[in-house]
Amino acid sequence: SAVISQKPSRDICQRGTSLTIQCQVDSQVTMMFWYRQQPGQSLTLIATANQGSEATYESGFVIDKFPISRPNLTFSTLTVSNMSPEDSSIYLCSVRNSNQPQHFGDGTRLSIL
Amino acid sequence: KQEVTQIPAALSVPEGENLVLNCSFTDSAIYNLQWFRQDPGKGLTSLLLIQSSQREQTSGRLNASLDKSSGRSTLYIAASQPGDSATYLCALVSSGSARQLTFGSGTQLTVLP
Repeated sequence: SAVISQKPSRDICQRGTSLTIQCQVDSQVTMMFWYRQQPGQSLTLIATANQGSEATYESGFVIDKFPISRPNLTFSTLTVSNMSPEDSSIYLCSVRNSNQPQHFGDGTRLSIL
Repeated sequence: KQEVTQIPAALSVPEGENLVLNCSFTDSAIYNLQWFRQDPGKGLTSLLLIQSSQREQTSGRLNASLDKSSGRSTLYIAASQPGDSATYLCALVSSGSARQLTFGSGTQLTVLP
């Protein structure tokens, strides 16, 4: 199965700043996703990262707030912009090939002061 | 819209007991269903993937079944151990969901020594 490295593993940020989270996979994957998991909740899909084109965002998430890049088949970034305390969550990168199992990184724990 | 439900939300059992976790879904048009475990502060670990054409999958002490007609899946854990304590999540890819996972809210399992 794919090995997913996500950085940073955690961070504490000031209100109004931005943070970029990196996701590196050890093999090429077809699909890459970004999820958010708020405390005590299940996972919510933010967007599907598309190689070489704009990400596909789910309802309630917009590009200005969560810009995503995916320059190739093994790497993606998620930026959380102009952060507020409501953005405090775990952000998870996830990958899948076709009808294969989906795999997740260990997540980035983000706290906003 | 597909909805995935996991009951109970929490379960506590003594070590050595066999147990069943339940997952139900509203739309039987699915590609596959996946069971994950999540340890506190960690990402998700894939346990088993069942394709829509399959009835069950087994890995070690774990057995997952799928009954599309009734909209149900179960995860059977044999001879439970304290190390099995985690949150177990059911997720599936529906036919009309642009190949995205829809998650249940999870069952928090505690195995008492």
